[in-house]
Amino acid sequence: SQQGEEDPQALSIQEGENATMNCSYKTSINNLQWYRQNSGRGLVHLILIRSNEREKHSGRLRVTLDTSKKSSSLLITASRAADTASYFCATVLISGAGSYQLTFGKGTKLSVIP
Amino acid sequence: DAGVTQSPTHLIKTRGQQVTLRCSPKSGHDTVSWYQQALGQGPQFIFQYYEEEERQRGNFPDRFSGHQFPNYSSELNVNALLLGDSALYLCASSPTWKDSPLHFGNGTRLTVT
Repeated sequence: SQQGEEDPQALSIQEGENATMNCSYKTSINNLQWYRQNSGRGLVHLILIRSNEREKHSGRLRVTLDTSKKSSSLLITASRAADTASYFCATVLISGAGSYQLTFGKGTKLSVIP
Repeated sequence: DAGVTQSPTHLIKTRGQQVTLRCSPKSGHDTVSWYQQALGQGPQFIFQYYEEEERQRGNFPDRFSGHQFPNYSSELNVNALLLGDSALYLCASSPTWKDSPLHFGNGTRLTVT
């Protein structure tokens, strides 16, 4: 089953604009990660935010996490055509046995128009 | 430094057949996870291997099985293929540290006819 739900399902913006994607989840987590996938290829890790962190930056990416609302957002500033991809949030719950499983949402498909 | 490599890249099989997919993890990684991604969906966790043992399993039937070798590479086997098994199968590796991101291969596209 998929824990994360990304919103919107699809987003189309002009180059140079900012893109915001949201993720909601249902259970407590240890950390939340965002990944990018270009047209059916492998996923590429973008950023990891731990449950005790509220905001994190990496280049043009800004991620926030609100554990009380069980939600996260990914902001891409000054978008480029190369940012066109599907973006997934993944929640991580570390089990007592030390297993580390990512549960992905269905993703947001971002199109950046040149 | 090679990343995660998967083979083959594409595969076409007939219903009822069996298939084996292969994965070599990134250098320095000893944990391998397998995911199934249907078209338009997010990846679904199949199972995870560490020290040659299945450490955790997702909600997949026993037709899905795996193996990890002493060099940390891994195989995913699917028996009695169904049309619904058509998907992109992704392998991901990670070190044993809990807060590490996963490194994904480019996947194997399996089509069952």
